Amino acid sequence: DIQMTQSPSSLSASVGDRVTITCRASQGISNSLAWFQQKPGKAPRSLIYAIFNLQSGVPSKFSGSGSGTDFTLTISDLQPEDVATYYCQQYNSYPITFGQGTRLEIK
Amino acid sequence: EVQLVESGGDLVQPGGSLRLCCAASGFIFSDHYMEWVRQAPGKGLEWVGRSRNKANSYTTEYAASVKGRFTISRDESKNSLYLQMNSLKTEDTAVYYCARINSRWHDFDSWGQGTLVTVST
Repeated sequence: DIQMTQSPSSLSASVGDRVTITCRASQGISNSLAWFQQKPGKAPRSLIYAIFNLQSGVPSKFSGSGSGTDFTLTISDLQPEDVATYYCQQYNSYPITFGQGTRLEIK
Repeated sequence: EVQLVESGGDLVQPGGSLRLCCAASGFIFSDHYMEWVRQAPGKGLEWVGRSRNKANSYTTEYAASVKGRFTISRDESKNSLYLQMNSLKTEDTAVYYCARINSRWHDFDSWGQGTLVTVST
């Protein structure tokens, strides 16, 4: 199985900050990397697919990058509504696996 | 608008069975792969299994943790995806989500709101 390791596990930042979450795959996953946002008590929401492509309706403050085994999610101009847990996911091979999540809070 | 609505979650005893349903609308159901993903209380996301599209004969894949106990199926006439869960264990307690797969990019582009399954005495 491909292990997806996110860092940090939790993050606290100020309104207006730019934050970066990293995700490392235990082996190469081509471009089959997605990012999800999950707010408390809600279903996950797809933000980014294929490393850097924004889902329809997702604001451009979210961006993705990386290649091979190392990937990042960057959130610019942090706002209170960005408080959530963020997950990376590989869908290159079975079983499909998720990172353990990064909990983002506002200072 | 794509809509996925899960139902069927309940409290069930260990060793029992339950069938979840995901009602789909707003897209051509038979054209898309569909997934089940679960989330235990306070934990992360865990992929459960996949139903490929009609062109791929609705074949399925499962996580090792549920293989042999869970079965994914579809009813094309009802635009519905099902998850039959047998021999349930306490560790199957979770919110179960269905998700749609984008036909071009194969990512999970739409999710339902989830349904809670509690396995307990």
